[in-house]
Amino acid sequence: GAGVSQSPRYKVAKRGQDVALRCDPISGHVSLFWYQQALGQGPEFLTYFQNEAQLDKSGLPSDRFFAERPEGSVSTLKIQRTQQEDSAVYLCASSYRRDISYEQYFGPGTRLTVT
Amino acid sequence: AQSVAQPEDQVNVAEGNPLTVKCTYSVSGNPYLFWYVQYPNRGLQFLLKYITGDNLVKGSYGFEAEFNKSQTSFHLKKPSALVSDSALYFCAVRALRIKTGANNLFFGTGTRLTVIP
Repeated sequence: GAGVSQSPRYKVAKRGQDVALRCDPISGHVSLFWYQQALGQGPEFLTYFQNEAQLDKSGLPSDRFFAERPEGSVSTLKIQRTQQEDSAVYLCASSYRRDISYEQYFGPGTRLTVT
Repeated sequence: AQSVAQPEDQVNVAEGNPLTVKCTYSVSGNPYLFWYVQYPNRGLQFLLKYITGDNLVKGSYGFEAEFNKSQTSFHLKKPSALVSDSALYFCAVRALRIKTGANNLFFGTGTRLTVIP
């Protein structure tokens, strides 16, 4: 079956531009997570949705980062006024249920380069 | 608070030999442990998990991991390495956020496995 998809796969933005990254989770998955993976590091948690509700945004690094999932399926991560330190791979993951035993399925990521 | 340590940035092993990728963890409460593999330009792929039960967990592609509570370790193992196993491996612990229910993953820094033909 279809996995988690993300678009675009690569994005180059000039410093100060706004970007929008899209995630299509696996159909029927309730939980959706965004992670940021800097070069040479493990992914770090950004934010969590259960259906359309954003229940945790404690990992968002600044108020320039905004995420939404208005209909409980597709999610968009928006970064305003991009900075060089925003350069990273942004990973989306979905999980069937919120229960801790369910594994997360990851998309291929969007590699953002801010010049 | 939780933490995950992968003490080796790089592991090299000859094809056909057994491999071990090390992971130690620190959590409050019961640990929920995961291994993921990352191939170039691809997302993380789930290998296996420990939630409860047998300490030896079997996963995808012939991998297994041994949960050791006294040593707080969850090492990834495979009896016979393949060249195609060469990739970046991440150990993770589920961060239980009771207030928000997020249950996100907290990852180690990764270990690059190279299997030499």
